[in-house]
Amino acid sequence: GEDVEQSLFLSVREGDSSVINCTYTDSSSTYLYWYKQEPGAGLQLLTYIFSNMDMKQDQRLTVLLNKKDKHLSLRIADTQTGDSAIYFCAETSNDYKLSFGAGTTVTVRA
Amino acid sequence: NAGVMQNPRHLVRRRGQEARLRCSPMKGHSHVYWYRQLPEEGLKFMVYLQKENIIDESGMPKERFSAEFPKEGPSILRIQQVVRGDSAAYFCASSPLKQGLYDEQFFGPGTRLTVL
Repeated sequence: GEDVEQSLFLSVREGDSSVINCTYTDSSSTYLYWYKQEPGAGLQLLTYIFSNMDMKQDQRLTVLLNKKDKHLSLRIADTQTGDSAIYFCAETSNDYKLSFGAGTTVTVRA
Repeated sequence: NAGVMQNPRHLVRRRGQEARLRCSPMKGHSHVYWYRQLPEEGLKFMVYLQKENIIDESGMPKERFSAEFPKEGPSILRIQQVVRGDSAAYFCASSPLKQGLYDEQFFGPGTRLTVL
């Protein structure tokens, strides 16, 4: 089966960069995703990357993919208090069955 | 445009009772997916449905669990004779008609099931 692992907690100071790391085991993954979940809300897709890409940038978000090491990271520049949430890494090797990590709780402190 | 709706948000059942979880997809979406999140684990795929059809139920436990997405009304995930191990957060997602290789899944807020 597919395994996706990520650290459970990250604390970062407001204005600093946050880096959330994720590893996965399925070498046939085609898409990799980052979702954000705020308290009481559903998971919101932040960004995704296709497996033949190394990097994707979208405003304050940068996704890096090392396919050889099966390592995915999400960097949030200039972290704000509104970025406090749980961040889920996910992957799929078909077009609908997502496999998720347990989520990283990011706490932004003043 | 309302997002994916799930109800109830919290459900408490005693062992042996039935649990019914409802999911209303986003307007215009005809594909529904159910995921389960056990404590301190990631979301795990359970089932993929289209209207009146189960497309992939490879993640569903073989017994006590069933899902449907009728022509009219919400999708229902039904758990019969619940046990403590069924306590989890159950998330529903929906997507529009397939348009290409990638179709974003839009998630609801989840139903937290607690079995006493």
